[in-house]
Amino acid sequence: QKEVEQNSGPLSVPEGAIASLNCTYSDRGSQSFFWYRQYSGKSPELIMFIYSNGDKEDGRFTAQLNKASQYVSLLIRDSQPSDSATYLCAVSLNTDKLIFGTGTRLQVFP
Amino acid sequence: DTGVSQDPRHKITKRGQNVTFRCDPISEHNRLYWYRQTLGQGPEFLTYFQNEAQLEKSRLLSDRFSAERPKGSFSTLEIQRTEQGDSAMYLCASSLGAGGDQPQHFGDGTRLSIL
Repeated sequence: QKEVEQNSGPLSVPEGAIASLNCTYSDRGSQSFFWYRQYSGKSPELIMFIYSNGDKEDGRFTAQLNKASQYVSLLIRDSQPSDSATYLCAVSLNTDKLIFGTGTRLQVFP
Repeated sequence: DTGVSQDPRHKITKRGQNVTFRCDPISEHNRLYWYRQTLGQGPEFLTYFQNEAQLEKSRLLSDRFSAERPKGSFSTLEIQRTEQGDSAMYLCASSLGAGGDQPQHFGDGTRLSIL
């Protein structure tokens, strides 16, 4: 079992819809959870981080964490074509190195 | 621009050659990380520093790889006797410190191609 798992996609949603990206992790000791966006050929760009159970909202983005289910998700409201990218989920065990999933490719079509 | 800076952006070299990459972290960030990313995969951790101390090295970091951060500011990653499998994007990230509220910010990366 991979330490951090994501569906590779692509996830296709129409413009204006809600995109839901999911991530599961295997180590219950994971403490911090991050979502990065990566455009093709570019480096990862931090979107949000969360370390407490529940929801955290920032603009059109909401991160959701459920430690009991070892599940973290990212919701993107009012999706735009410019949101089309690969979304990387990363976890940190002891606030040091990040362990990344393989990413989910999101396509937002007009 | 006060973000993480990496140099060079691209490096093409022949197998067997040595290469060195440089990373300048965000000012005052005392933690500096190196990752490697291949096509279709997420970044994989290589090593990290707190100030000048190298605190952890991945099993991925064979003895051909060495990283330094001599004065706790910029860092270099050297690969000796490069192999085809070393072709990847090498990413540097920095953070202000440890803790869930001190996220890592990435530079633009150095893309290495081995001929």
